[in-house]
Amino acid sequence: QSALTQPASVSGSPGQSITISCTGTSSDVGGYNYVSWYQQHPGKAPKLMIYDVSNRPSGVSNRFSGSKSGNTASLTISGLQAEDEADYYCSSYTSSSAVVFGGGTKLTVL
Amino acid sequence: EVQLVESGGGLVQPGGSLRLSCAASGFTFSDHYMDWVRQAPGKGLEWVGRTRNKANSYTTEYAASVKGRFTISRDDSKNSLYLQMNSLKTEDTAVYYCAREVGGFDYWGQGTLVTVSS
Repeated sequence: QSALTQPASVSGSPGQSITISCTGTSSDVGGYNYVSWYQQHPGKAPKLMIYDVSNRPSGVSNRFSGSKSGNTASLTISGLQAEDEADYYCSSYTSSSAVVFGGGTKLTVL
Repeated sequence: EVQLVESGGGLVQPGGSLRLSCAASGFTFSDHYMDWVRQAPGKGLEWVGRTRNKANSYTTEYAASVKGRFTISRDDSKNSLYLQMNSLKTEDTAVYYCAREVGGFDYWGQGTLVTVSS
């Protein structure tokens, strides 16, 4: 199972919006509405930000939103804040009942 | 408050074995699927495997990279999850996290470092 494809890095200024893409195949992202997104700050455990493509867990800011079209899922962060600077990972359930992660995207807030 | 606390990491030689534990509290452990996820130093997240709950016969799934070498088990009476790692390779060096699977992985432990080196 190959990792999902994410851009290595994205950047934006405070207050702007950014979008991180996550591309898979019809056997994972395209085949199931089980895409999740995680935020990880250095030295910390990942934190769930979006699950089931577009749902936010309780306590996660509504500045974070998720969507999917075909084999590509996206995470959008609006109103960028300095605290959003972190690594972001997508994941998807797969046709072999496994979970596959993306390679990760480093978000820099300029 | 949901808490997951891993233990058992350390330095092991290639070909050796190690058993990780994850102590859970703050939720009904027996109801939930539980997973292991690892992260090699400076690298991304990699799913290791899962154990389903009693209602789903405690069935397990593994990543291809660890299948046949790693075994996930649980003891619901102790609210504990385990990862038995055998035939360890240098590429298994990573921080190992246990995580609760509800939709995504909604709670994670702090991780325990496993270093495979001679």
